[in-house]
Amino acid sequence: DADVTQTPRNRITKTGKRIMLECSQTKGHDRMYWYRQDPGLGLQLIYYSFDVKDINKGEISDGYSVSRQAQAKFSLSLESAIPNQTALYFCATSEGSTGELFFGEGSRLTVL
Amino acid sequence: QKEVEQNSGPLSVPEGAIASLNCTYSDRGSQSFFWYRQYSGKSPELIMFIYSNGDKEDGRFTAQLNKASQYVSLLIRDSQPSDSATYLCAVTSGGSNYKLTFGKGTLLTVNP
Repeated sequence: DADVTQTPRNRITKTGKRIMLECSQTKGHDRMYWYRQDPGLGLQLIYYSFDVKDINKGEISDGYSVSRQAQAKFSLSLESAIPNQTALYFCATSEGSTGELFFGEGSRLTVL
Repeated sequence: QKEVEQNSGPLSVPEGAIASLNCTYSDRGSQSFFWYRQYSGKSPELIMFIYSNGDKEDGRFTAQLNKASQYVSLLIRDSQPSDSATYLCAVTSGGSNYKLTFGKGTLLTVNP
């Protein structure tokens, strides 16, 4: 089983719908991150969390919210999805000392 | 805005050749530098990391760091078709290891 698991892996939805992407990890890391990837644009940081009481905005947080339900769980929500949120979303974890990120398999979201 | 710049490519090399991937960064406080490989539709996976000026070798891969020039590179010797992927340069931000900033990636194609 993957150390960092994302669900769903693929989702097609309509404009205005609320969407939640979930991430769980078994690596025991405190730090968790949500990134978005668009073709040709690399990875952009949406939100990150260092523990269950610590949530921080990244570069592109507008239109997104997150919840850190436990050390191992970090969810990303789109309250009212719009087509330009169509992208590949990655959850990642880090143990912090080196900065190395460990990625989940990605969630491909299509907003029609 | 901290930036990480990579040649967008695509970079095409023949099998057995040396592939050279380059990256520059704007934050002089960056401490850790990473190269990730990403196959199409897959999650990024760590190839190498480097913290100190100079070269670091791991098998066919060599990372080179020059903090004075704010430049980091990745050399792939004896390139194989299986090396064909997008290579992402990532740099820690703001003098700490809590957040990575990614370049847009360089697409490498190794031709048999």
